[in-house]
Amino acid sequence: NAGVTQTPKFRILKIGQSMTLQCTQDMNHNYMYWYRQDPGMGLKLIYYSVGAGITDKGEVPNGYNVSRSTTEDFPLRLELAAPSQTSVYFCASSPRRGANPNTEAFFGQGTRLTVV
Amino acid sequence: EDQVTQSPEALRLQEGESSSLNCSYTVSGLRGLFWYRQDPGKGPEFLFTLYSAGEEKEKERLKATLTKKESFLHITAPKPEDSATYLCAVQAFGHNFNKFYFGSGTKLNVKP
Repeated sequence: NAGVTQTPKFRILKIGQSMTLQCTQDMNHNYMYWYRQDPGMGLKLIYYSVGAGITDKGEVPNGYNVSRSTTEDFPLRLELAAPSQTSVYFCASSPRRGANPNTEAFFGQGTRLTVV
Repeated sequence: EDQVTQSPEALRLQEGESSSLNCSYTVSGLRGLFWYRQDPGKGPEFLFTLYSAGEEKEKERLKATLTKKESFLHITAPKPEDSATYLCAVQAFGHNFNKFYFGSGTKLNVKP
């Protein structure tokens, strides 16, 4: 299994440009997440989804949008990129809490984004 | 407010020098505590989940323990390949999804 796959791995954007970070998982997980990680800081939750068609804001949603049309895919859209969005972005997925007690998250390899 | 604090921020060890990393947490009701390893330029890699105070889990040179207020990641006789950032995260009851609260991590450097 590939797990969680993110593309691209690296990207440089100019201020005001837009882009979509792609994320797909092949583990049939209900929950998916987008985090950003700044140097020396923990992971901050941007958006999350509990299933296809259902998304909600995390701690730092401003400047981002998401959609979840399928179980597998959870793209993150940056509109009007700003230098403050320079960061490493991680997508993750986890199984739904239920009979299975194991709810750990599995992460992709990250997208390093620089806005200049 | 639910939060997770990890200490120290950075730790330098000689190969074979055992030590412990700390993760203290305050949550309204702990559902699970997770340890991850993160190598430079990579995503976090899952190591352990602990669910209740007194629980312990081991994997090679790593052993994770849990009390009602903190968790320790004990590293016994570390090797240079154990160098990485170790992240701690907690899940709390009361949320409608698997929300994770992450600490800032401990960067471990093991010198040969």
